[in-house]
Amino acid sequence: QVQLQQSGAELVKPGASVKLSCKASGYTFTSYYMYWVKQRPGQGLEWIGEINPSNGGTNFNEKFKSKATLTVDKSSSTAYMQLSSLTSEDSAVYYCTRADGYYGYFDVWGAGTTVTVSS
Amino acid sequence: QIVLSQSPAILSASPGEKVTMTCRASSSVSYMHWYQQKPGSSPKPWIYATSNLASGVPARFSGSGSGTSYSLTISRVEAEDAATYYCQQWSSNPPTFGAGTKLELK
Repeated sequence: QVQLQQSGAELVKPGASVKLSCKASGYTFTSYYMYWVKQRPGQGLEWIGEINPSNGGTNFNEKFKSKATLTVDKSSSTAYMQLSSLTSEDSAVYYCTRADGYYGYFDVWGAGTTVTVSS
Repeated sequence: QIVLSQSPAILSASPGEKVTMTCRASSSVSYMHWYQQKPGSSPKPWIYATSNLASGVPARFSGSGSGTSYSLTISRVEAEDAATYYCQQWSSNPPTFGAGTKLELK
């Protein structure tokens, strides 16, 4: 079955960077964009950006353009998101998700990676 | 970007009751999608393209709407429906989500 397996929780210091991973299985990795979504504790959902695994092309929510870097490793069907210059505002759960190709809804979600920024 | 406003923020219902929650968009959208999220879990697709139930979603759920106003209705609420429901649009970039309606069971 289609699955997105995300890396484990991270505790990082302010000002540092962190790289999260999302391993896809059960489908052709290069056939679907990968998306990343942020959820702060008790808050709603924010779309961070997208990457085309086929060619590495990216597109970002303006708010996250200087915060997130998206990459993929096609050989392992894994997508990565690096977050830089971390502050307490970056403490959140980060989900990778896939969207259906027609209606634009997110049909498969990873379990999420919790990032805690604390000294 | 399109802002989605969900109401009410908290909805309290008794088992067997019919409930409706709404999602209003700041501009007209073609479709609205809904997700169910329970504490400690990732969002689950629940209703897509306004009125289509995702796989495994009970038939007591329904969705409707057009333009800037959409709704999710539960015909007879059950205990397992307690969760937060988010609406989402992608008629224009970036895709956006509402702040959620938390359904509590009395």
